[in-house]
Amino acid sequence: KQEVTQIPAALSVPEGENLVLNCSFTDSAIYNLQWFRQDPGKGLTSLLLIQSSQREQTSGRLNASLDKSSGRSTLYIAASQPGDSATYLCAVYANSKLTFGKGITLSVRP
Amino acid sequence: GAVVSQHPSWVICKSGTSVKIECRSLDFQATTMFWYRQFPKQSLMLMATSNEGSKATYEQGVEKDKFLINHASLTLSTLTVTSAHPEDSSFYICSAPPTGGNQPQHFGDGTRLSIL
Repeated sequence: KQEVTQIPAALSVPEGENLVLNCSFTDSAIYNLQWFRQDPGKGLTSLLLIQSSQREQTSGRLNASLDKSSGRSTLYIAASQPGDSATYLCAVYANSKLTFGKGITLSVRP
Repeated sequence: GAVVSQHPSWVICKSGTSVKIECRSLDFQATTMFWYRQFPKQSLMLMATSNEGSKATYEQGVEKDKFLINHASLTLSTLTVTSAHPEDSSFYICSAPPTGGNQPQHFGDGTRLSIL
């Protein structure tokens, strides 16, 4: 059974810091890995999707990497801003299902 | 703009009531939709896969008679929580995979269900 872990559960940083959010998964037989953003009481916004054959994807200040063999992914956020405060969820897609981690709640202090 | 519309966004009702949540794909057809439940500070947990024109596939531990799913058209799936109780209070989210592979799923904005 696939398990996705995100540690720590919460993170608080001052504005302007570069930061890395980690995600690990137990079964490397995945189709793709996705990072989502969730604001309180809201649905999910897709940030980046990395296919199993890819190593990384970039969008603006965000960069996601994937090491499938070791079961790890990182989301790098450059020059963090208060507007980046949200919960970031990692999910792996395999066997026609998305399996989510519990998310990392990020707070960026002005 | 949103490609998956979920309605209502917030429901408060008395214990014993049945509640219907709709999930619509706005500009594409979805033969499959997914229903998730999320408790506070927890992961999204897949409840069931909704299949147009056939029975839904439920995950282990999810009561089929409690959570009725109907996927009557290529753009609409509904989840009905029957005889809801306080323990059913949660955040319910639907998603639909896009046509064509290798693209992220589209998620609705979620429904906050509170049973008194």
